[in-house]
Amino acid sequence: NAGVTQTPKFQVLKTGQSMTLQCAQDMNHEYMSWYRQDPGMGLRLIHYSVGAGITDQGEVPNGYNVSRSTTEDFPLRLLSAAPSQTSVYFCASRRGYQGYEQYFGPGTRLTVT
Amino acid sequence: GQQVMQIPQYQHVQEGEDFTTYCNSSTTLSNIQWYKQRPGGHPVFLIQLVKSGEVKKQKRLTFQFGEAKKNSSLHITATQTTDVGTYFCAGRNGNKLVFGAGTILRVKS
Repeated sequence: NAGVTQTPKFQVLKTGQSMTLQCAQDMNHEYMSWYRQDPGMGLRLIHYSVGAGITDQGEVPNGYNVSRSTTEDFPLRLLSAAPSQTSVYFCASRRGYQGYEQYFGPGTRLTVT
Repeated sequence: GQQVMQIPQYQHVQEGEDFTTYCNSSTTLSNIQWYKQRPGGHPVFLIQLVKSGEVKKQKRLTFQFGEAKKNSSLHITATQTTDVGTYFCAGRNGNKLVFGAGTILRVKS
C-alpha cells in the first residue's frame, strides 16, 4: 500500500491564483481530512469528509473548497490564494471517525507571494 | 468548541534527561491520541488512550490519561537524539480530531 499520497510536494503561487492540492489513499478509509500546519499553531483542521459525497468544515475553512467524489480522493482547492495561506498542508485518513489512528500524507509546502 | 492545550511549547534537554509534555482539554474526552512528527516529516501515530486513569508504556515512553479524562501526559525517560521532534496530543470532538499546538523537543548530545 502507498498509504496517503499528496501532490505536489512544493508549490509557489502568486496572490489571486487558484490551485488544487491532490490527496489520495489506497486503504479504503472512510474518513479523510485536510490540516494546515503553521509555526506555534499545531495542526488546524480545514475540511473533512466522513465518506464519499459528504464533506464538512473544520476550524479554518475560509478560502478553501473540497469535494469527495470517490473514497480514494480528497482534493483541496484554493480559490484565490492569499499570503496568509502560506503553510504546510497535510492530508490524512482513517478507517472511521471514532477511535482509529490517523494516517498522514507527506505534506505540501505552499508559499503564496 | 473544544480546545486542546499543550505545554510546554518548546523544551531543550541534555541527552539522558527526562522529558514530559502535558495536554489539557476544555471538555471531557472519549479518548486521546498522541503523534510524533520528526523535523521535516509528517505526524505519525504513537498511541491511543481510552480509559480513565489509563497508563500505557512503549519502551522509554509512558502515556497517561487523567482520571477525569480531561488531561494527558507523555513522559520520555532518558531521552536520546532519536527522540527529537514535535509531539502532539489530539482529542476527538464529534467527527473532528482536534490537535494541540505540540511540544517541540530538542536533545543536546
